[in-house]
Amino acid sequence: DAGVTQSPTHLIKTRGQQVTLRCSPKSGHDTVSWYQQALGQGPQFIFQYYEEEERQRGNFPDRFSGHQFPNYSSELNVNALLLGDSALYLCASRIGVGAYEQYFGPGTRLTVT
Amino acid sequence: GEDVEQSLFLSVREGDSSVINCTYTDSSSTYLYWYKQEPGAGLQLLTYIFSNMDMKQDQRLTVLLNKKDKHLSLRIADTQTGDSAIYFCADLNQAGTALIFGKGTTLSVSS
Repeated sequence: DAGVTQSPTHLIKTRGQQVTLRCSPKSGHDTVSWYQQALGQGPQFIFQYYEEEERQRGNFPDRFSGHQFPNYSSELNVNALLLGDSALYLCASRIGVGAYEQYFGPGTRLTVT
Repeated sequence: GEDVEQSLFLSVREGDSSVINCTYTDSSSTYLYWYKQEPGAGLQLLTYIFSNMDMKQDQRLTVLLNKKDKHLSLRIADTQTGDSAIYFCADLNQAGTALIFGKGTTLSVSS
């Protein structure tokens, strides 16, 4: 049973560029959430997708956007990258918006120079 | 708003018990979680507890919940060097959609 997968593993971008990160949820899961984990901090909720719609958003600017596809996979897009966007981006999946077990992927390490 | 706080470091000897503590602010919390993160890796769900429970045991792990004091703890029995990692306490937000994490407790186990 495949767990949550994310790609790429690592990414280096320059300030001002745009980036797309990808996530495939655990088999049978239909809800995907994205979190940002800065160095030395706990993960912070960016947004959640269910039925191809953004259901809830954390305190992140509009530069952060996402998408969910019919197969439940998801993308996180960040525009106009800032140095402060350097972080580990984690994807989590679960069954339905109210399910209490969330499983995380290995993350994508984004470095902005 | 909802907040979760944890002590930052804990150092124990192999074979001892470890107790990691967490406090949260949301009095209407439904589920509380413990996740483990090893260096360079994602988060591994260790265990969780529903708010109507006081204790949950799962092999070497024991979770204690004191709702009155909004205090959660994770006890790891017979701690091994492989338990060295960062442990995150998390609270499910009131909407039931997002996890609110503490900053993590780094557990260091020496042999």
